[in-house]
Amino acid sequence: DADVTQTPRNRITKTGKRIMLECSQTKGHDRMYWYRQDPGLGLRLIYYSFDVKDINKGEISDGYSVSRQAQAKFSLSLESAIPNQTALYFCATSDSGRDRASQGTDTQYFGPGTRLTVL
Amino acid sequence: AQSVTQLDSHVSVSEGTPVLLRCNYSSSYSPSLFWYVQHPNKGLQLLLKYTSAATLVKGINGFEAEFKKSETSFHLTKPSAHMSDAAEYFCVVSDLASSASKIIFGSGTRLSIRP
Repeated sequence: DADVTQTPRNRITKTGKRIMLECSQTKGHDRMYWYRQDPGLGLRLIYYSFDVKDINKGEISDGYSVSRQAQAKFSLSLESAIPNQTALYFCATSDSGRDRASQGTDTQYFGPGTRLTVL
Repeated sequence: AQSVTQLDSHVSVSEGTPVLLRCNYSSSYSPSLFWYVQHPNKGLQLLLKYTSAATLVKGINGFEAEFKKSETSFHLTKPSAHMSDAAEYFCVVSDLASSASKIIFGSGTRLSIRP
């Protein structure tokens, strides 16, 4: 979905390097999420943000940090990458409906993914 | 605590035959339930969602799912499989309205379609 973009799409790095994955959205949604996908494990939530001042840890936040620079931008950092962080990473957005004083939805819209390999 | 179990990691059907992908969930609250599809080398796309309205939910591409509270199930079905349905399917339980604010993905079911 072109409304949610991720950069880079592919990255190969070495153990110990700092890596930042970026996510931008033009959907005007207030909520943003970072997931990693590993074969046989589905998607696991790393961090999520309900607005610019709200950051929450997900299921597997250790080794990761995030920054919500603006409503439209949510970046994920690996301070010191390790091989078991090799995975496919997805950003997603959803709309709480708060800005329109209406009930939002949990429906998430996903970016195309970033394939990260840590050697 | 919330959880979601997709009972089959891989399902293979012949083109034109029915599809059944099974999902059971556990939630202490009144969750929203979703099915997402992921085609090879693509992101996830919403197929359908249940949010406490009608228990039979119709989605895109002829898929539908029935919420059965007594069985804590949300199985995905399609009457007639098409080759383009080959993909990975994820059942998701979401309860962002509660203080738990949980989103849990199932481990996925890979659907293969035989010609």
